[in-house]
Amino acid sequence: RKEVEQDPGPFNVPEGATVAFNCTYSNSASQSFFWYRQDCRKEPKLLMSVYSSGNEDGRFTAQLNRASQYISLLIRDSKLSDSATYLCVVNNYLTGNQFYFGTGTSLTVIP
Amino acid sequence: DVKVTQSSRYLVKRTGEKVFLECVQDMDHENMFWYRQDPGLGLRLIYFSYDVKMKEKGDIPEGYSVSREKKERFSLILESASTNQTSMYLCASTHGQLTDTQYFGPGTRLTVL
Repeated sequence: RKEVEQDPGPFNVPEGATVAFNCTYSNSASQSFFWYRQDCRKEPKLLMSVYSSGNEDGRFTAQLNRASQYISLLIRDSKLSDSATYLCVVNNYLTGNQFYFGTGTSLTVIP
Repeated sequence: DVKVTQSSRYLVKRTGEKVFLECVQDMDHENMFWYRQDPGLGLRLIYFSYDVKMKEKGDIPEGYSVSREKKERFSLILESASTNQTSMYLCASTHGQLTDTQYFGPGTRLTVL
């Protein structure tokens, strides 16, 4: 079983739409959660961390559900520049600080 | 501005060659990582290092070795390159166990012929 699973998409949405991605993780002891963004032929970059209480950064909202072991990312008012692959990442630093990446969800925002 | 650099963006090698991929970070980070990224498989951890001369196997260490002689530098070595090691290789670093950000280098696209 994979540590982290994501729907690969692709998600094709019009500008201004709201889109949501989910990600599930298998290790209930996971302690840190993140969303990374990866543009085509570029390295991943941190989009936002995910906190237990949920957190928001502008048009982006991340939520964590420990009971069901999933995290989500909501993007409101999609922009063309949001087109990218979004990677879900979990970490259990008490067992070695290893980060586990999902395979990514591809988003294309259409004019 | 934080920076992770990798020695090459593109590399073409022949089967059986020994290949060195270098990664340098200027942030005084303790932890460094080597991943490979393949379509449909995502990023998979090859090796990581907590400190100088320390190394730990990741999920797919077979066919690879690493070296960390200095804190800022983490090298990935392919002892005898094979075609199934054709991939994008990404280096990353983090400050400590409780950090919430991995900083990635630009990647090296390795092709083994």
